[in-house]
Amino acid sequence: DQQVKQNSPSLSVQEGRISILNCDYTNSMFDYFLWYKKYPAEGPTFLISISSIKDKNEDGRFTVFLNKSAKHLSLHIVPSQPGDSAVYFCAAADRGSTLGRLYFGRGTQLTVWP
Amino acid sequence: DTGVSQNPRHKITKRGQNVTFRCDPISEHNRLYWYRQTLGQGPEFLTYFQNEAQLEKSRLLSDRFSAERPKGSFSTLEIQRTEQGDSAMYLCASSKTSGRNSYEQYFGPGTRLTVT
Repeated sequence: DQQVKQNSPSLSVQEGRISILNCDYTNSMFDYFLWYKKYPAEGPTFLISISSIKDKNEDGRFTVFLNKSAKHLSLHIVPSQPGDSAVYFCAAADRGSTLGRLYFGRGTQLTVWP
Repeated sequence: DTGVSQNPRHKITKRGQNVTFRCDPISEHNRLYWYRQTLGQGPEFLTYFQNEAQLEKSRLLSDRFSAERPKGSFSTLEIQRTEQGDSAMYLCASSKTSGRNSYEQYFGPGTRLTVT
């Protein structure tokens, strides 16, 4: 049972435009969310996170928005660059559990073309 | 390089053989995780250590899988009597025990296992 869902397997965006990657979750106990980027033959790289007490977190070109009532989050990349082309994974954690495991979506392949 | 390292990077083995992977976490990180990733899927949790104690095991971790972290530093993941369904990327991650960033897990490059 997939508790974190990324329903778009791929996204193609022109360089300089905005990339919006979406993620939905079903478990209402999730209260911390993360985005990871993964290049081929490498492990996932942490990008940005957000706690459920916030609805927005920004770091440079990356902004994550959280809508708790809709159980939805999104990652905005502005402006998009060719080096951003990678698979992006959304992940969630239940901080009420001390165990700290992350639940991942299946990923979205972002392609930024010149 | 002070990131998470994993060895070997690639392993090809015949069905029925045993394999062992090693993970060296970031030195100040007390927590260590193993995940498995197959094609088209996100990483799936396998097991978790805090220092040397193994605190949780996923249902994915059958009896053929065992993980250790004997001195709370590096960890090993062993798969006995490998099956073709074990073919996957095995990822190790580590994180701090406490603090606002304790849920940010840092991943190694992974070990790609192919069972023929």
